[in-house]
Amino acid sequence: DQQVKQNSPSLSVQEGRISILNCDYTNSMFDYFLWYKKYPAEGPTFLISISSIKDKNEDGRFTVFLNKSAKHLSLHIVPSQPGDSAVYFCAAREGNYGQNFVFGPGTRLSVLP
Amino acid sequence: DAGVTQSPTHLIKTRGQQVTLRCSPKSGHDTVSWYQQALGQGPQFIFQYYEEEERQRGNFPDRFSGHQFPNYSSELNVNALLLGDSALYLCASSLPGGSQGGELFFGEGSRLTVL
Repeated sequence: DQQVKQNSPSLSVQEGRISILNCDYTNSMFDYFLWYKKYPAEGPTFLISISSIKDKNEDGRFTVFLNKSAKHLSLHIVPSQPGDSAVYFCAAREGNYGQNFVFGPGTRLSVLP
Repeated sequence: DAGVTQSPTHLIKTRGQQVTLRCSPKSGHDTVSWYQQALGQGPQFIFQYYEEEERQRGNFPDRFSGHQFPNYSSELNVNALLLGDSALYLCASSLPGGSQGGELFFGEGSRLTVL
């Protein structure tokens, strides 16, 4: 049973436009969420996080939105750049002890020039 | 400032063999977690080490074991390898144990192929 779902395996966006990556979760005890980006032959790198006490967090071109009632979060990238082409993972954690993160299966984003 | 380093980067084993993977955490981090990423899937939590003890464990059999050394580096051992153990094994370090919030810092991973 997947607790963190990313239902779009892939997404293609034109350079300069907005990229929206979605993530759904089933465990209502999750209280901290992160997005990671992964290039081939590299480990995942942290992008942005959001605590369950917030509904939005911004960092430059990246914004994460959290809708707790819908158990849904999304990552917006504006404007999208070709260097953003990578696999994006949504991850969630229950509680603040142990830092055991549950990852989604990932969405492959392709930004076309 | 060195990030998380893992070795070896690639290795090939045959069924039934044993493998040891190594990880050095990012400077200042004392907590190490191991994840398995199968092809086309997200990383899956194996276990976490803090103060040289296994603090949390995911849904993995006892064939998967680990160790953390006094310098915070860690090893992942897998015994009696199965074909299904073929995956990218990721090590991640994080802020001092018990800290709230904070993200994981990942190494580049060790790609294990079991034939």
